[in-house]
Amino acid sequence: QVQLVESGGGLVKPGGSLRLSCAASGFTFENHYMSWIRQAPGKGLEWLSYISTTSGFTKYADSVKGRFTISRDNAKNSLYLQMNSLKVEDTAVYYCARDLNTPGYWGQGTLVTVSS
Amino acid sequence: DIQMTQSPSSLSASVGDRVTITCRASQDIRNDLGWYQQKPGKAPKRLIYATSSLQSGVPSRFSGSGSGTEFTLTISGLQPEDFATYYCLQHNTFPYTFGQGTNLEIK
Repeated sequence: QVQLVESGGGLVKPGGSLRLSCAASGFTFENHYMSWIRQAPGKGLEWLSYISTTSGFTKYADSVKGRFTISRDNAKNSLYLQMNSLKVEDTAVYYCARDLNTPGYWGQGTLVTVSS
Repeated sequence: DIQMTQSPSSLSASVGDRVTITCRASQDIRNDLGWYQQKPGKAPKRLIYATSSLQSGVPSRFSGSGSGTEFTLTISGLQPEDFATYYCLQHNTFPYTFGQGTNLEIK
């Protein structure tokens, strides 16, 4: 069955960096667009970024453009999110999700807390 | 960015009730809309895609309709497990945007 497992979250100081990973299994990873979506505590959902199957095309929300970088390694069935210059308002649960049109598969999420 | 205005933001209802949640898009998104259910501490679960297509395994009491700028999610005959938060999502134009959510509570 399809599984997406995020890791790499934790506590980081403002201005710091963190790299999230999403390990995929149960499907042919290289055939699917992948995305990162986040949810601040007690708040709604925000789509951050997506990446095409061969990494040739990426898109970012304005809130993270220039600070976050999405990437993937199809040989390792893994998706990544490099987060730099973190702000307090980046505190959230970060989910990876498969496909673009109303994604049907999400990971369980990893919590990123940005605080001094 | 396309704004998704979801209403109501909260709703109290009883088991067996029929409820409707609405999402209005700030511009035409054709039928590029889906609905999710989220329970505390869990990832969102897809209920409806392409406006009205029911996700496999989701009970038929859930239905979606609409087109263009106005969309609805209807739950006919609420069950105890349906009390949760619901979100719409437009995937017509990036950045894809969610409604602010509807918290469905037991009356």
